[in-house]
Amino acid sequence: GENVEQHPSTLSVQEGDSAVIKCTYSDSASNYFPWYKQELGKGPQLIIDIRSNVGEKKDQRIAVTLNKTAKHFSLHITETQPEDSAVYFCAASNDKIIFGKGTRLHILP
Amino acid sequence: SQTIHQWPATLVQPVGSPLSLECTVEGTSNPNLYWYRQAAGRGLQLLFYSVGIGQISSEVPQNLSASRPQDRQFILSSKKLLLSDSGFYLCAWTRGERTGELFFGEGSRLTVL
Repeated sequence: GENVEQHPSTLSVQEGDSAVIKCTYSDSASNYFPWYKQELGKGPQLIIDIRSNVGEKKDQRIAVTLNKTAKHFSLHITETQPEDSAVYFCAASNDKIIFGKGTRLHILP
Repeated sequence: SQTIHQWPATLVQPVGSPLSLECTVEGTSNPNLYWYRQAAGRGLQLLFYSVGIGQISSEVPQNLSASRPQDRQFILSSKKLLLSDSGFYLCAWTRGERTGELFFGEGSRLTVL
């Protein structure tokens, strides 16, 4: 079955700088790669997703890149703000959605 | 608009006691429904999913069970809780396709003492 590895587990970034979170997956049949943001005490919410026929997708300060050959994908947040502090999960899916273990992002003032 | 409700939000139960967590979805029909458990450092682990009334698939062997008595109702249960059942439980739903956006509830934090 699918296995998703996510790094780093914790990331501290100065406000205004960029943050990058990386994930790898094992099942070459996976074709859907969502990213979720979870704020304290709440359920995760989808922030961006990418399908395997696309290499990059951008939505304002958030972008995701996908390298199918290497089976890895990354989340990029530019011009980070305090409200970006949260736990971020990557996931990969062919049939079932399998999540990484999460990255706790701290935005430092 | 669609909404998902999950309760109770917080639960403290003794070892060996029963458990019932309930989840309902409003504003859609025939959703796919999911129960996830979130433990510290272990991400989101899929426990059960259901594509229709009475249809339950279990992802991992465990002390828990799930039921779907109505189209938009999903229940997570246990007859006798273990310490290891402590965690943050999340209900979620998707529209017809299995690889679409997951909409999560607010979660239920279970502490077993």
